[in-house]
Amino acid sequence: GAGVSQSPSNKVTEKGKDVELRCDPISGHTALYWYRQSLGQGLEFLIYFQGNSAPDKSGLPSDRFSAERTGGSVSTLTIQRTQQEDSAVYLCASRNSGEVYGYTFGSGTRLTVV
Amino acid sequence: QKEVEQDPGPLSVPEGAIVSLNCTYSNSAFQYFMWYRQYSRKGPELLMYTYSSGNKEDGRFTAQVDKSSKYISLFIRDSQPSDSATYLCAMAAQAGTALIFGKGTTLSVSS
Repeated sequence: GAGVSQSPSNKVTEKGKDVELRCDPISGHTALYWYRQSLGQGLEFLIYFQGNSAPDKSGLPSDRFSAERTGGSVSTLTIQRTQQEDSAVYLCASRNSGEVYGYTFGSGTRLTVV
Repeated sequence: QKEVEQDPGPLSVPEGAIVSLNCTYSNSAFQYFMWYRQYSRKGPELLMYTYSSGNKEDGRFTAQVDKSSKYISLFIRDSQPSDSATYLCAMAAQAGTALIFGKGTTLSVSS
Protein backbone atom coordinates (compact mmCIF):
# COMPACT_ATOMS: atom_id res chain seq x y z
CA GLY A 1 0.00 0.00 0.00
CA ALA A 2 0.91 3.63 -0.30
CA GLY A 3 0.76 4.48 3.38
CA VAL A 4 1.63 3.13 6.81
CA SER A 5 -0.83 0.43 7.78
CA GLN A 6 -1.65 -0.47 11.37
CA SER A 7 -3.74 -3.30 12.68
CA PRO A 8 -6.05 -3.79 14.37
CA SER A 9 -7.61 -0.33 14.20
CA ASN A 10 -9.37 -0.97 17.51
CA LYS A 11 -8.62 -3.41 20.29
CA VAL A 12 -10.47 -4.00 23.54
CA THR A 13 -8.73 -6.27 26.01
CA GLU A 14 -9.13 -7.30 29.60
CA LYS A 15 -6.71 -6.09 32.23
CA GLY A 16 -3.84 -8.53 32.60
CA LYS A 17 -3.99 -9.87 29.03
CA ASP A 18 -1.18 -9.47 26.51
CA VAL A 19 -1.75 -7.60 23.25
CA GLU A 20 0.16 -7.32 19.98
CA LEU A 21 -0.12 -4.32 17.70
CA ARG A 22 1.16 -4.46 14.13
CA CYS A 23 2.69 -1.84 11.87
CA ASP A 24 3.39 -2.22 8.13
CA PRO A 25 5.62 0.68 7.09
CA ILE A 26 5.89 2.19 3.65
CA SER A 27 7.97 -0.09 1.46
CA GLY A 28 11.63 0.94 1.49
CA HIS A 29 11.38 3.09 4.60
CA THR A 30 14.28 2.14 6.82
CA ALA A 31 13.22 4.04 9.95
CA LEU A 32 10.20 3.08 12.04
CA TYR A 33 8.85 4.78 15.15
CA TRP A 34 6.20 3.88 17.72
CA TYR A 35 4.35 6.57 19.66
CA ARG A 36 1.54 6.54 22.22
CA GLN A 37 -1.16 9.23 22.31
CA SER A 38 -3.27 9.34 25.46
CA LEU A 39 -6.35 11.50 25.93
CA GLY A 40 -5.28 15.11 26.33
CA GLN A 41 -1.62 14.25 25.81
CA GLY A 42 0.68 14.72 22.91
CA LEU A 43 2.50 11.94 21.18
CA GLU A 44 4.83 10.12 23.57
CA PHE A 45 7.82 8.45 21.93
CA LEU A 46 8.18 4.74 22.67
CA ILE A 47 10.79 3.13 20.42
CA TYR A 48 12.72 3.79 17.19
CA PHE A 49 14.20 1.33 14.68
CA GLN A 50 16.76 2.41 12.08
CA GLY A 51 17.87 -0.23 9.61
CA ASN A 52 19.94 -2.94 11.24
CA SER A 53 21.04 -0.78 14.17
CA ALA A 54 20.05 -1.56 17.74
CA PRO A 55 16.68 0.10 18.43
CA ASP A 56 16.36 3.18 20.63
CA LYS A 57 14.16 1.87 23.44
CA SER A 58 14.54 4.92 25.66
CA GLY A 59 10.83 5.80 25.55
CA LEU A 60 9.38 2.46 26.64
CA PRO A 61 7.52 3.16 29.90
CA SER A 62 8.07 -0.23 31.54
CA ASP A 63 9.43 -3.70 30.88
CA ARG A 64 5.88 -4.79 29.99
CA PHE A 65 6.40 -3.05 26.66
CA SER A 66 8.57 -4.51 23.91
CA ALA A 67 8.81 -4.24 20.14
CA GLU A 68 10.52 -6.01 17.31
CA ARG A 69 10.98 -5.40 13.65
CA THR A 70 11.41 -8.41 11.43
CA GLY A 71 13.34 -8.24 8.18
CA GLY A 72 13.57 -4.50 8.37
CA SER A 73 9.88 -4.18 7.54
CA VAL A 74 6.89 -5.14 9.69
CA SER A 75 7.01 -4.21 13.37
CA THR A 76 5.06 -5.58 16.32
CA LEU A 77 4.56 -3.74 19.61
CA THR A 78 3.73 -6.10 22.47
CA ILE A 79 2.24 -5.04 25.78
CA GLN A 80 2.23 -7.72 28.45
CA ARG A 81 -0.13 -7.84 31.43
CA THR A 82 -2.05 -4.80 30.21
CA GLN A 83 -3.16 -2.16 32.70
CA GLN A 84 -5.94 0.42 32.38
CA GLU A 85 -3.37 3.19 32.06
CA ASP A 86 -2.17 1.52 28.84
CA SER A 87 -5.41 2.62 27.16
CA ALA A 88 -4.35 4.98 24.38
CA VAL A 89 -3.91 5.29 20.64
CA TYR A 90 -0.68 3.65 19.50
CA LEU A 91 0.73 5.30 16.39
CA CYS A 92 3.42 4.03 14.08
CA ALA A 93 5.45 6.17 11.67
CA SER A 94 8.02 5.31 9.04
CA ARG A 95 10.58 7.42 7.22
CA ASN A 96 12.89 7.06 4.26
CA SER A 97 16.44 7.58 5.48
CA GLY A 98 17.04 10.18 2.79
CA GLU A 99 14.15 12.40 3.84
CA VAL A 100 14.83 14.35 7.00
CA TYR A 101 11.24 15.47 7.49
CA GLY A 102 9.42 12.57 5.86
CA TYR A 103 7.79 10.96 8.90
CA THR A 104 4.56 9.33 7.68
CA PHE A 105 2.10 8.17 10.32
CA GLY A 106 -0.47 5.42 10.25
CA SER A 107 -3.99 5.95 11.62
CA GLY A 108 -3.13 4.11 14.82
CA THR A 109 -4.52 1.33 16.97
CA ARG A 110 -6.99 2.46 19.61
CA LEU A 111 -6.37 0.23 22.63
CA THR A 112 -8.91 0.04 25.45
CA VAL A 113 -8.10 -1.97 28.55
CA VAL A 114 -11.18 -2.86 30.61
CA GLN B 1 8.89 21.11 32.86
CA LYS B 2 8.16 19.23 29.66
CA GLU B 3 10.62 19.67 26.79
CA VAL B 4 7.90 21.09 24.56
CA GLU B 5 4.96 23.14 25.84
CA GLN B 6 1.85 23.82 23.77
CA ASP B 7 -1.45 25.32 24.88
CA PRO B 8 -4.10 22.66 24.20
CA GLY B 9 -6.89 25.20 23.66
CA PRO B 10 -9.51 24.66 22.40
CA LEU B 11 -9.29 27.62 20.05
CA SER B 12 -12.46 28.71 18.24
CA VAL B 13 -12.38 31.28 15.44
CA PRO B 14 -14.74 32.42 12.68
CA GLU B 15 -14.03 31.60 9.07
CA GLY B 16 -11.52 34.01 7.54
CA ALA B 17 -9.71 34.76 10.80
CA ILE B 18 -5.95 34.67 11.22
CA VAL B 19 -4.91 31.92 13.60
CA SER B 20 -1.70 31.87 15.63
CA LEU B 21 -0.50 28.63 17.19
CA ASN B 22 2.60 28.49 19.36
CA CYS B 23 5.02 26.21 21.15
CA THR B 24 7.88 26.84 23.51
CA TYR B 25 10.71 24.45 24.20
CA SER B 26 13.55 24.06 26.64
CA ASN B 27 16.19 22.08 24.72
CA SER B 28 18.47 24.52 22.90
CA ALA B 29 19.80 21.63 20.78
CA PHE B 30 16.54 21.38 18.84
CA GLN B 31 17.05 22.51 15.25
CA TYR B 32 14.46 20.59 13.21
CA PHE B 33 10.95 21.96 13.66
CA MET B 34 7.69 20.67 12.25
CA TRP B 35 3.97 21.25 12.45
CA TYR B 36 1.55 18.38 12.05
CA ARG B 37 -2.20 18.45 11.55
CA GLN B 38 -4.32 15.66 12.96
CA TYR B 39 -7.96 15.09 12.12
CA SER B 40 -10.15 13.07 14.46
CA ARG B 41 -9.28 9.35 14.47
CA LYS B 42 -6.50 9.86 11.92
CA GLY B 43 -2.73 9.90 12.19
CA PRO B 44 -0.83 13.20 12.16
CA GLU B 45 0.16 14.55 8.74
CA LEU B 46 3.09 16.85 8.10
CA LEU B 47 2.02 20.42 7.39
CA MET B 48 5.16 22.55 7.58
CA TYR B 49 8.81 22.14 8.47
CA THR B 50 11.72 24.49 9.08
CA TYR B 51 15.36 24.09 9.92
CA SER B 52 16.88 26.30 12.63
CA SER B 53 15.62 29.89 12.82
CA GLY B 54 13.60 31.78 10.25
CA ASN B 55 10.30 31.89 8.45
CA LYS B 56 8.75 29.63 5.86
CA GLU B 57 5.56 30.27 3.93
CA ASP B 58 3.37 27.80 2.05
CA GLY B 59 0.07 29.13 0.78
CA ARG B 60 -2.06 30.21 3.74
CA PHE B 61 0.44 28.80 6.25
CA THR B 62 3.54 30.45 7.72
CA ALA B 63 5.93 28.79 10.15
CA GLN B 64 8.31 30.85 12.27
CA VAL B 65 11.16 29.76 14.51
CA ASP B 66 12.89 32.02 17.04
CA LYS B 67 15.69 29.94 18.54
CA SER B 68 16.88 32.77 20.78
CA SER B 69 13.50 32.70 22.55
CA LYS B 70 12.95 28.96 22.07
CA TYR B 71 9.59 29.76 20.50
CA ILE B 72 7.93 28.52 17.33
CA SER B 73 4.72 29.64 15.68
CA LEU B 74 2.32 28.57 12.96
CA PHE B 75 0.08 31.19 11.37
CA ILE B 76 -2.97 30.29 9.32
CA ARG B 77 -4.42 33.07 7.14
CA ASP B 78 -8.00 33.11 5.88
CA SER B 79 -8.88 30.13 8.04
CA GLN B 80 -11.42 27.66 6.66
CA PRO B 81 -13.75 25.16 8.36
CA SER B 82 -11.59 22.43 6.82
CA ASP B 83 -8.71 23.71 8.99
CA SER B 84 -10.58 22.45 12.06
CA ALA B 85 -8.20 19.87 13.54
CA THR B 86 -5.55 19.40 16.21
CA TYR B 87 -2.22 21.01 15.42
CA LEU B 88 0.91 19.48 16.92
CA CYS B 89 4.36 20.99 16.99
CA ALA B 90 7.29 18.58 16.85
CA MET B 91 11.02 18.99 17.01
CA ALA B 92 14.30 17.10 17.05
CA ALA B 93 17.94 17.84 17.76
CA GLN B 94 19.33 15.49 15.13
CA ALA B 95 17.99 14.59 11.72
CA GLY B 96 15.92 11.42 11.68
CA THR B 97 15.79 10.86 15.41
CA ALA B 98 12.54 10.50 17.31
CA LEU B 99 10.45 13.67 17.26
CA ILE B 100 9.40 15.32 20.50
CA PHE B 101 5.82 16.55 20.30
CA GLY B 102 3.76 19.16 22.05
CA LYS B 103 0.33 18.18 23.39
CA GLY B 104 -1.41 19.73 20.40
CA THR B 105 -3.86 22.63 20.05
CA THR B 106 -7.43 21.87 19.00
CA LEU B 107 -8.71 24.43 16.49
CA SER B 108 -12.31 24.91 15.44
CA VAL B 109 -13.16 27.23 12.54
CA SER B 110 -16.84 28.07 12.24
CA SER B 111 -18.53 29.09 8.99
